[in-house]
Amino acid sequence: DTGVSQNPRHKITKRGQNVTFRCDPISEHNRLYWYRQTLGQGPEFLTYFQNEAQLEKSRLLSDRFSAERPKGSFSTLEIQRTEQGDSAMYLCASSLPTSGSGNEQFFGPGTRLTVL
Amino acid sequence: KQEVTQIPAALSVPEGENLVLNCSFTDSAIYNLQWFRQDPGKGLTSLLLIQSSQREQTSGRLNASLDKSSGRSTLYIAASQPGDSATYLCAVRPDTGRRALTFGSGTRLQVQP
Repeated sequence: DTGVSQNPRHKITKRGQNVTFRCDPISEHNRLYWYRQTLGQGPEFLTYFQNEAQLEKSRLLSDRFSAERPKGSFSTLEIQRTEQGDSAMYLCASSLPTSGSGNEQFFGPGTRLTVL
Repeated sequence: KQEVTQIPAALSVPEGENLVLNCSFTDSAIYNLQWFRQDPGKGLTSLLLIQSSQREQTSGRLNASLDKSSGRSTLYIAASQPGDSATYLCAVRPDTGRRALTFGSGTRLQVQP
């Protein structure tokens, strides 16, 4: 499978615990995005990387959230001291660097987080 | 702040019908617009991307149009099939150089066999 992959697919945790998600983009895609989606809503942008540089961050990305892409390949999203309001689907996307593609974003299957 | 609205929120049609899904956005300064499909509990599948300079894009039974000045896009699905049942989302990217997509809440489509 050459698409965007995310692990784990499901995560159940207790309030106050830390969780970490991983995203592996499509190879040769140098741009990587994180979004969050709650039930019945469209995804909301969290952050964007070009190679290893984090270039955009949403106000939704509170100080409990941190994202990294250390070598410009896979990325991790960590949530510290989880709250019930963090329960959502966390989606990762990637895109090509070439302008001709329009930077079409391709999404992974998501990680569903449930905070009890 | 960009706002994206999709109407209707839900739609149920019999198999074989042609249908139109609507997407409107408040800020016409967009770089492109993308239509996605999402099956329950799954990620998003990209269907069509329209650049701001384009009027429409076609892929198989799907046709998406863009009227940037009026802030509207439509997704036309011809000869609908039960396998088309899913939520359809539109998203816009601003032309400011930022890459974050702003999504609508989607239209949930049910095609009855």
